[in-house]
Amino acid sequence: DVKVTQSSRYLVKRTGEKVFLECVQDMDHENMFWYRQDPGLGLRLIYFSYDVKMKEKGDIPEGYSVSREKKERFSLILESASTNQTSMYLCASSLLAEEYYGYTFGSGTRLTVV
Amino acid sequence: AQTVTQSQPEMSVQEAETVTLSCTYDTSESDYYLFWYKQPPSRQMILVIRQEAYKQQNATENRFSVNFQKAAKSFSLKISDSQLGDAAMYFCAYRSRGDDKIIFGKGTRLHILP
Repeated sequence: DVKVTQSSRYLVKRTGEKVFLECVQDMDHENMFWYRQDPGLGLRLIYFSYDVKMKEKGDIPEGYSVSREKKERFSLILESASTNQTSMYLCASSLLAEEYYGYTFGSGTRLTVV
Repeated sequence: AQTVTQSQPEMSVQEAETVTLSCTYDTSESDYYLFWYKQPPSRQMILVIRQEAYKQQNATENRFSVNFQKAAKSFSLKISDSQLGDAAMYFCAYRSRGDDKIIFGKGTRLHILP
């Protein structure tokens, strides 16, 4: 089974802190994604990456950056955490193939910024 | 831009009964994929069922089936013989064949009544 591992299940950070959310996948997937999930808003795409050192902005990139130095690892960075970034963060990966079977998700990181 | 709409924020069904979750989408593409994902309280997003737009036959996976109406841009999920373990948030999702990312609806929370 493909596994996508997010380093923290719960995280509490202070306003203004720099926060790193880590995601690692073990099946050589090309694409990796960061979403945030909020009640009533569904999943909104923050950033994605289709190759090492490549990144594309999603729908809500403001206040976030990403890093992909190795194919298996995709990090989400909150440069200066704010309370409105309190949310559930989901990492996902997918394989580029003729037949597409969707994402494999990590189990999420619930981030609280106080 | 493509959009996915789930008009039912919450639904309830009696155990062993059948329930249908609605989803509509908007696209000008003709070749795409549609998905239903399940997110139980454990937060792990799981792919329930997948449909390729060029296949007219509705996808089925055990107790889960879809009613795919391409002209109407409708993609509903039917769960037969509902079980307590089906209680979850369900997300309808869309991906154009030529795109890297999946677009999600806002979700329907399904309650199973014993």
